[in-house]
Amino acid sequence: KNEVEQSPQNLTAQEGEFITINCSYSVGISALHWLQQHPGGGIVSLFMLSSGKKKHGRLIATINIQEKHSSLHITASHPRDSAVYICAAGGSQGNLIFGKGTKLSVKP
Amino acid sequence: DTAVSQTPKYLVTQMGNDKSIKCEQNLGHDTMYWYKQDSKKFLKIMFSYNNKELIINETVPNRFSPKSPDKAHLNLHINSLELGDSAVYFCASSWGPGIQYFGAGTRLSVL
Repeated sequence: KNEVEQSPQNLTAQEGEFITINCSYSVGISALHWLQQHPGGGIVSLFMLSSGKKKHGRLIATINIQEKHSSLHITASHPRDSAVYICAAGGSQGNLIFGKGTKLSVKP
Repeated sequence: DTAVSQTPKYLVTQMGNDKSIKCEQNLGHDTMYWYKQDSKKFLKIMFSYNNKELIINETVPNRFSPKSPDKAHLNLHINSLELGDSAVYFCASSWGPGIQYFGAGTRLSVL
């Protein structure tokens, strides 16, 4: 069993739909990271959170430390949101343990 | 002005060769990382340096040797390349264990 599990592995949505990607982790963390990998391969950090909820534009990330679970939500999804979303458990030295990613495809 | 830059972007080489990938960050960060993304797109940490000092060295073959001449640079040298080394290598940097900024990646193909 991986230390960081994401679901679903693949997700297809229609433009405008509300999207949720889930992440569970079994290791101790300093913080939980959400990253986006574009179809071209570049990786961008979206959120780093250690409690509660963070919002940036149409993206919302939440974490429940007791349940070792985090979710990434995308409101009013758009085709440009199509990418791989990766959850990662962050250690105290900054090292990241990655999930396998969720490939999101948003259709117009 | 790219925050984290890696060179080269693509590297095609023969088995047994030695090659280097360079990484530079202009963000003033104190921590730099090398990650490997395999053919299944799974990312895994290889090394981490803080203020030029190695702090994380995952189970990576000793053919891989990172070098940090200063806080802004972390280079990766690979000796005796093998087919299994083919992957995309990403450099990243951060302030301590904070948000990480990634380079564009170096796609290494070993023939």
